[in-house]
Amino acid sequence: DTEVTQTPKHLVMGMTNKKSLKCEQHMGHRAMYWYKQKAKKPPELMFVYSYEKLSINESVPSRFSPECPNSSLLNLHLHALQPEDSALYLCASSQGLGLYEQYFGPGTRLTVT
Amino acid sequence: GNSVTQMEGPVTLSEEAFLTINCTYTATGYPSLFWYVQYPGEGLQLLLKATKADDKGSNKGFEATYRKETTSFHLEKGSVQVSDSAVYFCALRGYGGSQGNLIFGKGTKLSVKP
Repeated sequence: DTEVTQTPKHLVMGMTNKKSLKCEQHMGHRAMYWYKQKAKKPPELMFVYSYEKLSINESVPSRFSPECPNSSLLNLHLHALQPEDSALYLCASSQGLGLYEQYFGPGTRLTVT
Repeated sequence: GNSVTQMEGPVTLSEEAFLTINCTYTATGYPSLFWYVQYPGEGLQLLLKATKADDKGSNKGFEATYRKETTSFHLEKGSVQVSDSAVYFCALRGYGGSQGNLIFGKGTKLSVKP
């Protein structure tokens, strides 16, 4: 099973709201990732977790706050977002930080109004 | 640094036509190479991979061969179907400053007409 699940599938939020995106994998992978994808562009890396610890933060604004409660779960907490943050948010996982393939979830389509 | 260059689309083909999407890369050492496919409104799916020179990745009729001498990983399919319409991303994971991050090409949109 190579499934990564994400909830919700769609999310509309105002600029003053607080919401969270959730990601789950049961492949025993020890690295998990958040990406942001704008229309007609490749995904852009936001955060990397390895063994439940934040490994990489690609200079993402503090209104995005990641959390890794355990080895299977990854959350992305959202607060005071801007309309330009509207995008598809993708979660991925891999066996580790080496040259392994990453498996992606279906994404959350976020619209900020 | 590591980078991926792939042919820009869109590519429009008739059903049963032959498909080639070119991909070349720049990387230190021997990266792992991947093709991902993204259907409309969905996430990315791993289509195939190759981890060393001369490896051929294959899946669902698609193939790509890791060519170290030409630093290429071109995607091919002998007979495309309407259901293959999607965006295809070439990607690599390598050594160096990227810490093994996945580096994507810009993507190629394929449209297959019946």
